[in-house]
Amino acid sequence: DIQLTQSPSFLSASVGDRVTITCRASQVISTSLAWYQQKPGKAPKLLIYAASTLQSGVPSRFSGSGSGAEFTLTINSLLPEDFATYYCQQFHSYPRYSFGQGTKLEI
Amino acid sequence: QVQLVQSETEVKKPGASVKVSCKASGNTFTGFFMHWVRQAPGQGLEWMGWINPKSGGTHYAQKFQGRVTMTRDTSISTLYMELSRLTSDDTAVYFCAREVRSSFDSWGQGTLLTVTS
Repeated sequence: DIQLTQSPSFLSASVGDRVTITCRASQVISTSLAWYQQKPGKAPKLLIYAASTLQSGVPSRFSGSGSGAEFTLTINSLLPEDFATYYCQQFHSYPRYSFGQGTKLEI
Repeated sequence: QVQLVQSETEVKKPGASVKVSCKASGNTFTGFFMHWVRQAPGQGLEWMGWINPKSGGTHYAQKFQGRVTMTRDTSISTLYMELSRLTSDDTAVYFCAREVRSSFDSWGQGTLLTVTS
């Protein structure tokens, strides 16, 4: 199975900062990667699919990049509502859909 | 997107089974694969398996094979996930989610399962 490793696991930042989260796959997965945001007690919310395509309705301060085995999620100009946990997920290894372990973004 | 509404909180004893439901709104129920994902307290997301609502075909994560059964009732646009031989390690929030464009674009609100003696 493909393993996804996110770094860092915890990230401390301030409102207005620009932050980057990395997701590394244990093998090449092309651009078959999605990013989610999850707030406490809520279901995950899709932010990015196909590594870099912004989901409809998601603010443009979120962006994704990468291909192959290394991917990044960047959030520009952090707002208070962006403090949450972020997960990557791969769709390359059919039929399994593993997630990264998560990155908690804290103030 | 589609609205997915899940069944309420469950409390079960070790060794019992649970059946969680997920009702989809709209008329696209059979058009997309549906998945189940769980999240133990304070932990990350764990994919459990998928069901093709059109055919009923399923595929389960190896960890759950033999213990999980995913079904659907197309007449009421509802999915079901049954997990048997429960242990305390199965205490988690269970989510259903729709797969679109190689991503999960819609999620249920989650169903908390507590397994306790």
